Amino acid sequence: DIVLTQSPDSLAVSLGERATINCKSSHTLYSSNHKNYLVWYQQKPGQPPKLLIYWASTRASGVPDRFSGSGSGTDFTLTISSLQAEDVAVYYCQQYSSSPPEYTFGQGTKLEI
Amino acid sequence: EVQLVESGGGLVQSGGSLRLSCVVSGFTVSNNYMSWVRQAPGKGLEWVSIIYSGDNIYYADSVKGRFTISRHNSNNTLYLQMNSLRPEDTAVYYCARVPEYDGFDVWGQGTLVTVSS
Repeated sequence: DIVLTQSPDSLAVSLGERATINCKSSHTLYSSNHKNYLVWYQQKPGQPPKLLIYWASTRASGVPDRFSGSGSGTDFTLTISSLQAEDVAVYYCQQYSSSPPEYTFGQGTKLEI
Repeated sequence: EVQLVESGGGLVQSGGSLRLSCVVSGFTVSNNYMSWVRQAPGKGLEWVSIIYSGDNIYYADSVKGRFTISRHNSNNTLYLQMNSLRPEDTAVYYCARVPEYDGFDVWGQGTLVTVSS
């Protein structure tokens, strides 16, 4: 089974500053179709997760461009370039692997101001 | 408008059963991959099950043999039949759509299942 480990577990960043969250996979997430099957979500209290980034670096529709994803293989990063108050949330990475299909989440990173 | 609305959660004793429903609007359940994801109180996210448009079905090891995912095309609804429930199944259960990049792009608000010992 693939394990995703996020770091740090929690993070405090000042408004307007950069926030960086890391996600490390126990196995490569790079597929034969040249895609990294790594997704990022944002979850605010009392709400379902919201999709932010897929294929490691493709921003989902409607997501502000201050959110960006990078990385390949086993090491990935979510960056918020200029933190806004509404970005306070828990962030999760998630991977997909086939044979058999399995979806795994990281443990989450709590982002505070 | 795309919307997923879960129902059917509640309090049940260990060993009991519940059936969750997820009514979908704005797209067709039968033409999409659909999944259940759960979140124990104060904890992270855990994938539970997926049903593909071609009826292939997969489960997390933690629920295999106890949970059954299904869909009813005529009323555009996804289901999760949960049997032999355990206290560790206590969680908010979300239904979600799974697009081609194998993430979860649309989520319901969730329904809380509490299993007492």
